[in-house]
Amino acid sequence: DAKTTQPTSMDCAEGRAANLPCNHSTISGNEYVYWYRQIHSQGPQYIIHGLKNNETNEMASLIITEDRKSSTLILPHATLRDTAVYYCIVRVEHSWGKLQFGAGTQVVVTP
Amino acid sequence: EAQVTQNPRYLITVTGKKLTVTCSQNMNHEYMSWYRQDPGLGLRQIYYSMNVEVTDKGDVPEGYKVSRKEKRNFPLILESPSPNQTSLYFCASGLNTEAFFGQGTRLTVV
Repeated sequence: DAKTTQPTSMDCAEGRAANLPCNHSTISGNEYVYWYRQIHSQGPQYIIHGLKNNETNEMASLIITEDRKSSTLILPHATLRDTAVYYCIVRVEHSWGKLQFGAGTQVVVTP
Repeated sequence: EAQVTQNPRYLITVTGKKLTVTCSQNMNHEYMSWYRQDPGLGLRQIYYSMNVEVTDKGDVPEGYKVSRKEKRNFPLILESPSPNQTSLYFCASGLNTEAFFGQGTRLTVV
């Protein structure tokens, strides 16, 4: 699976949009971009994933650049409960095996 | 309710005393996996299983055993625990695109 690079940390004001970048310049054509988050000491939680089109669900939006070398997770209206570590992962869909999490981005939402 | 259940949630044990952490999922997932999480080291995969009787090593398998005799259960076995296995452990299961994680087991080996 391709490696990803994320900022170590970022702050966001409550109610504002949080934009979390991820670089995956070595991504292969059949690899998807996945986002998970982990609220302190809880199990990671799936957020969203996509291949090349932008995706949106009830939690977030995922914007993938045309060359697929980077992506941005958008939390449209951050709340205090969105404070968590966010992980960007690339892997082949439906292909399970070594699912590796990097260091992620620690997001702190402040009042 | 779809869930991954780990037991126990907390465990303090002594060096060398064999222990098993159980993991059960009710979603009929073929894929299951164990991770440990340590400060500064993130989530590291211990073992994973693609189906019944099929298991494989992750990144940090030393000191651990697993078994997958039935689809719903994937126990993690520490034959002779050592203090460096003190950690927060997570079990996960997956189907198609999404992985579901348990609530974690905090293990302390003294």
